[in-house]
Amino acid sequence: DILLTQSPGTLSLSAGERATLSCRASQYVSSSFLAWYQQKPGQSPRLLIYGASNRASGVPARFSGSESGTDRIRGTESETEFTLTIARLQPEDSAVYFCQQYGSSPTFGQGTKLEIK
Amino acid sequence: QVQLQQSGLGLVKPSQTLSLTCGVSGESVSSDSVAWSWLRQSPSRGLEWLGKAYFRSNKWRSDYSESVKDRIDITFDGPMNEVYLRLTSVAPEDTAVYYCARDRLWAFDVWGQGTVVVVSS
Repeated sequence: DILLTQSPGTLSLSAGERATLSCRASQYVSSSFLAWYQQKPGQSPRLLIYGASNRASGVPARFSGSESGTDRIRGTESETEFTLTIARLQPEDSAVYFCQQYGSSPTFGQGTKLEIK
Repeated sequence: QVQLQQSGLGLVKPSQTLSLTCGVSGESVSSDSVAWSWLRQSPSRGLEWLGKAYFRSNKWRSDYSESVKDRIDITFDGPMNEVYLRLTSVAPEDTAVYYCARDRLWAFDVWGQGTVVVVSS
């Protein structure tokens, strides 16, 4: 399975600031199959971004996703990194954010907890 | 608007079978453009995809995670528009919140409300 590692584990920012969340895949992941979710306490995950950079229906434009790059290591192996950026943070953005890759067996990152001070 | 309503028992004894239902409204479970997945979430394992089922070329098909493939079965009832999860021989490590989700084959875009399942005697 492809391992997704998210950083940082916790991010504490003030309202109005910008949040940058990272997701690094242990193998190449096509940007077409990388998604981001938001989960608030007691709620189901909510799809925010699909195809690395496409906002799901109803998601504010403050949320954006991108592919940061692919590193080729040890010959043919490569890692891919993706970023979720949240501009002009609002109190309601407090949540845990997960990245997810859709390969033959979908996997999720462990999550980044975003706290708005 | 597609909505998923989950139901099923929240307490299962070890070695018994976990059974959950996902009622779908707003879309046919027989749609050939989507699949229906079951996932679970626990503090120890995080979010974990368990498997999916879908209707293609007039056949119901399924794919399962290696971690549960010997114990899981996902089935449909077309007329009832429901999707079912059965997980056999459960153990305490199967304790989790279970979700059904519409699977667009690149992301999960609609989720059920979640069902807390505790495996305990």
